[in-house]
Amino acid sequence: QVQLVESGGGVVQPGRSLRLSCAASGFTFSSYALHWVRQAPGKGLEWVAVMSYDGSNKYYADSVKGRFTISRDSSKNTLYLQLNSLRAEDTAVYHCARDLSVVVTATLDYWGQGTLVTVSS
Amino acid sequence: QAGLTQPPSVSKGLRQTATLTCTGNSNNVGNQGAAWLQQHQGHPPKLLSYRNNNRPSGISERFSASRSGNTASLTITGLQPEDEADYYCSAWDSSLSAVVFGGGTKLTVL
Repeated sequence: QVQLVESGGGVVQPGRSLRLSCAASGFTFSSYALHWVRQAPGKGLEWVAVMSYDGSNKYYADSVKGRFTISRDSSKNTLYLQLNSLRAEDTAVYHCARDLSVVVTATLDYWGQGTLVTVSS
Repeated sequence: QAGLTQPPSVSKGLRQTATLTCTGNSNNVGNQGAAWLQQHQGHPPKLLSYRNNNRPSGISERFSASRSGNTASLTITGLQPEDEADYYCSAWDSSLSAVVFGGGTKLTVL
């Protein structure tokens, strides 16, 4: 069965960096676009970034553009999110999610449980 | 990035029908339609419907979706206690090259 397992979250000071990982299994990793979506405590879903199946296309939300970088390693079936210059407003549970298609759509059919990032001094 | 517009809350009685709406524009909902997600407290979202009325395997027929112009709708018939959850719509915005979400609707089953 499809599984997405995030890791790498924690408490970090403003301005510092963190790298999140999402280990995928149960499907052909290189055949799907993959997203990061975050959810601040008690708030709604906020899309963060997406990478196409082959890594050729990446798109970011304006709120993270220039600070966050999405990447993937097909040899490890793992999706990454590098978070730099962190701010208090980046505090959230970060989920990775699989796109329904090889191309980027807004249909996210499988989600991980998420990893909590807390930005605080 | 502007998101999609959903009513913050909807309340309906047991076994009644609820219709949730999601309004965007011609670059997102009006272009490729919307997907609908259900999220129970403490759990990740679950896909209910996509491309307006396609349901993933295992999703009840009580959930149906439609679109009229720039507004997508999710109709839930025969409301059950387990339907009480937050519901989100999402769409790809071709002008922003971004996924946009609605703010979510909290459905209460009375």
